[in-house]
Amino acid sequence: DAGVIQSPRHEVTEMGQEVTLRCKPISGHDYLFWYRQTMMRGLELLIYFNNNVPIDDSGMPEDRFSAKMPNASFSTLKIQPSEPRDSAVYFCASSPYPGQTNEKLFFGSGTQLSVL
Amino acid sequence: KQEVTQIPAALSVPEGENLVLNCSFTDSAIYNLQWFRQDPGKGLTSLLLIQSSQREQTSGRLNASLDKSSGRSTLYIAASQPGDSATYLCAAYNQGGKLIFGQGTELSVKP
Repeated sequence: DAGVIQSPRHEVTEMGQEVTLRCKPISGHDYLFWYRQTMMRGLELLIYFNNNVPIDDSGMPEDRFSAKMPNASFSTLKIQPSEPRDSAVYFCASSPYPGQTNEKLFFGSGTQLSVL
Repeated sequence: KQEVTQIPAALSVPEGENLVLNCSFTDSAIYNLQWFRQDPGKGLTSLLLIQSSQREQTSGRLNASLDKSSGRSTLYIAASQPGDSATYLCAAYNQGGKLIFGQGTELSVKP
């Protein structure tokens, strides 16, 4: 398996523009997570899905952020409109069942977002 | 609310030294605790996972321990090498499906 695949690797946009980040989890993984990493706040959990259903979105900072998982192999994180304080690295991660025995969490390489 | 803290924030050691990274968590009702490695500009790689019923896990030169009663975990790295230089993060997995991360320890191993 190619692992968790995220696109784009880098995104530079202007304030007010819509940004869409994409993620393809590892096949067979029922859980998908979106994290944001900044120097100030570290890694923050934004939202996670189980079997394509959003379970907890309490980490989504504002209504400008939305996430979808239309099928088991694809998820998007959208920011509309984007603001400079949204600049961060956004990670997607997947796991078969993170609370079970020895099921680890696998991360994608991240999307470096810069909002000017 | 689970909070995870890592000390120190940064650590520099000469090659060959054994070292310990510390992680503490406030809510002992965890399912497991995981240690990750992050290289600059890269994603996170899972190193070790300790289930709540376990006391330690070993992989090569790495040994992670877990003491739920005191809310602590340690990552022991034996005979450190320059290639071990990276940021190490611990994360606690609680009921409700959330994996909460510490801020990480940035390790530098000098040749």
